[in-house]
Amino acid sequence: GENVEQHPSTLSVQEGDSAVIKCTYSDSASNYFPWYKQELGKGPQLIIDIRSNVGEKKDQRIAVTLNKTAKHFSLHITETQPEDSAVYFCAASNGNQFYFGTGTSLTVIP
Amino acid sequence: GAVVSQHPSWVICKSGTSVKIECRSLDFQATTMFWYRQFPKQSLMLMATSNEGSKATYEQGVEKDKFLINHASLTLSTLTVTSAHPEDSSFYICSAPAAQRSTDTQYFGPGTRLTVL
Repeated sequence: GENVEQHPSTLSVQEGDSAVIKCTYSDSASNYFPWYKQELGKGPQLIIDIRSNVGEKKDQRIAVTLNKTAKHFSLHITETQPEDSAVYFCAASNGNQFYFGTGTSLTVIP
Repeated sequence: GAVVSQHPSWVICKSGTSVKIECRSLDFQATTMFWYRQFPKQSLMLMATSNEGSKATYEQGVEKDKFLINHASLTLSTLTVTSAHPEDSSFYICSAPAAQRSTDTQYFGPGTRLTVL
């Protein structure tokens, strides 16, 4: 089955700096890669996603890159703000099921 | 984006009682919904796939008699934790795809925190 690994598990950045979270996957059949933001006590919220026919996607301060050959994808948050502090999960879908990474706890220090 | 609601958001119950959690897709129909369990500081663990009009599909290790799932309509799935025990205390989250294919973009509910005393 698919195996999604996510790094780092915790990340602290100064406000205004960039944050990068990386995920790798094992199943070459995976073709959909969403990123979710989860605040304490709440459900995950979709923040950006990318499909396997695209290498990069950007939405304001958030961008995701995908390298299908290397089987890894990354979340980039620029100009971080304190409200970006949360747990971020990556996921990979092969069309049958979602497989989640273990999460990254991001803390943006004011 | 699509909206998924859960009710209740937090429930405390005594050991041995049963608790029902509802998951609703508010502005779209969902023939499939997913139920997850999340322990503190851990990732989401898929428990089962809820299918409208048919039996749920449970992941390995999940007791189907313990966690009863009913997909009553195209907008409602329920998870009933039967004879709850303290080890069932957890954060339960549902999700639903906003398209016909079962694994298109998933939208998550806000979660239900279950505390069993």
